[in-house]
Amino acid sequence: AQSVTQPDIHITVSEGASLELRCNYSYGATPYLFWYVQSPGQGLQLLLKYFSGDTLVQGIKGFEAEFKRSQSSFNLRKPSVHWSDAAEYFCAVAPTGNQFYFGTGTSLTVIP
Amino acid sequence: DAGVTQSPTHLIKTRGQQVTLRCSPKSGHDTVSWYQQALGQGPQFIFQYYEEEERQRGNFPDRFSGHQFPNYSSELNVNALLLGDSALYLCASSRRGATNEKLFFGSGTQLSVL
Repeated sequence: AQSVTQPDIHITVSEGASLELRCNYSYGATPYLFWYVQSPGQGLQLLLKYFSGDTLVQGIKGFEAEFKRSQSSFNLRKPSVHWSDAAEYFCAVAPTGNQFYFGTGTSLTVIP
Repeated sequence: DAGVTQSPTHLIKTRGQQVTLRCSPKSGHDTVSWYQQALGQGPQFIFQYYEEEERQRGNFPDRFSGHQFPNYSSELNVNALLLGDSALYLCASSRRGATNEKLFFGSGTQLSVL
């Protein structure tokens, strides 16, 4: 069965510091992978996606993610965090069709 | 260009009641998916509609049902509400055939069951 694990429930970083959010997936083949961000009271906004090709994917708002097949990981990174990045981040896998499987999310707090 | 719109934004019901949530997809999209997001959890897939039929379904009881209209809008119905149905219900739209293209999400309907 497909599953997504986000091992960090909550992360706190200082503004300007670098960020890495972890995501591991379980799926037989290479899935389609996504990172979404959710601000309080809002829906989910796509940050970036990986389908195939270059394993380093660039997204919006300065985010990037790297797909590592050997580790079944798709970690999200940002070199310098801004206060406005505080939100909930979800990793998702979509093996087939449009049915997405989401992780439980990582809550990001940014301190000045 | 309006994105995905959902109504109502908030809803309070009591156990045993029935509820209907509504969703209008983004312009140009013909596929609607519904997700349930419990507090502190990621969204869980309920089902997906296109061409006015349910095409895929997640692990939800048949108390959860839906409908899609010719204009691609959709409704989610939940019967015999339980306390555990309290959650944010998200609608997402996409284009059929654009496999695994990104989903566009609405802001959700927050359902509280008392």
